[in-house]
Amino acid sequence: DIQMTQSPSTLSASVGDRVTITCRASQSLSSWLAWYQQKPGKAPGLLIYKASTLESGVPSRFSGSGSGTEFTFTISNLQPDDFATYYCQQYKTYPYTFGQGTKLEIK
Amino acid sequence: EVQLVESGGAVVQPGGSLRLSCAASGFTFDDYSIHWVRQPPGKGLEWVSLIIWDGSSTYYADSVRGRFTISRDNTKNSLYLQMNSLTSEDTALYFCAKDSGYDYLDYWGQGTLVTVSS
Repeated sequence: DIQMTQSPSTLSASVGDRVTITCRASQSLSSWLAWYQQKPGKAPGLLIYKASTLESGVPSRFSGSGSGTEFTFTISNLQPDDFATYYCQQYKTYPYTFGQGTKLEIK
Repeated sequence: EVQLVESGGAVVQPGGSLRLSCAASGFTFDDYSIHWVRQPPGKGLEWVSLIIWDGSSTYYADSVRGRFTISRDNTKNSLYLQMNSLTSEDTALYFCAKDSGYDYLDYWGQGTLVTVSS
C-alpha cells in the first residue's frame, strides 16, 4: 500500500496569513493526488485534484503543487472560513490512502 | 444537485452484522463508480471500498476484505455495504462518495454512524 505522510499535524495561523501543508508519498503518484477540506461534523469537500487543479467553485487562494512523491498545498490570505482540517489522498492505486490530516487552528 | 444520503448506521455488538445504504440523486448513477470511506471518532479518513459503475469490479481495504461486501442496485440508484464480523475497530462514521470519473472523489454524503460495542 502507498503510505501518505502529511505534515504538520497541527498548524496555528492568523487571518491573512499564508500557510503550506506538505504531503509525501511512499512511492511515485505522478500527479494523482487530491486535497480535501473537512469542518467539524461535516463531510470532506474536494478542493484540488491532479495535484494542482482547482475544483470548480473553490476560491483561488487555495493552490496545490508537486508531483512524484512530494506535494504541497497552500492557502494564501487565510480567511475565517478556512480554519478546518485538510487531508491529502492518493488515487494512483488501490487501496486509496489518505494523509493523517492537518488541523488548521486560529492563532 | 448531487446528493448522497447514507443510512443504516446503528449500535451493534462485536461479531455482529450491519448493512449500510447510500441513496444517490442528481446524477446518472450508473455512469459512476462509488466509494465508501470511514472516519473513526476524532480520527482521520480511511478509504474502505469501491464498486465500479456496473458492479462488475470491487476493491477493498485490507482491513475489511473478507468481512465487508460492497454492492449496488442501479435500478434503485443505491449503494450498499454489508458488514460482517464487526469489531470495535470498525466503529466510525461511514461516508459514501461519488467518483468523479477520473478516480478522485468529488461528492460526499454526510455519513452514517456505526458503533460496535457490547
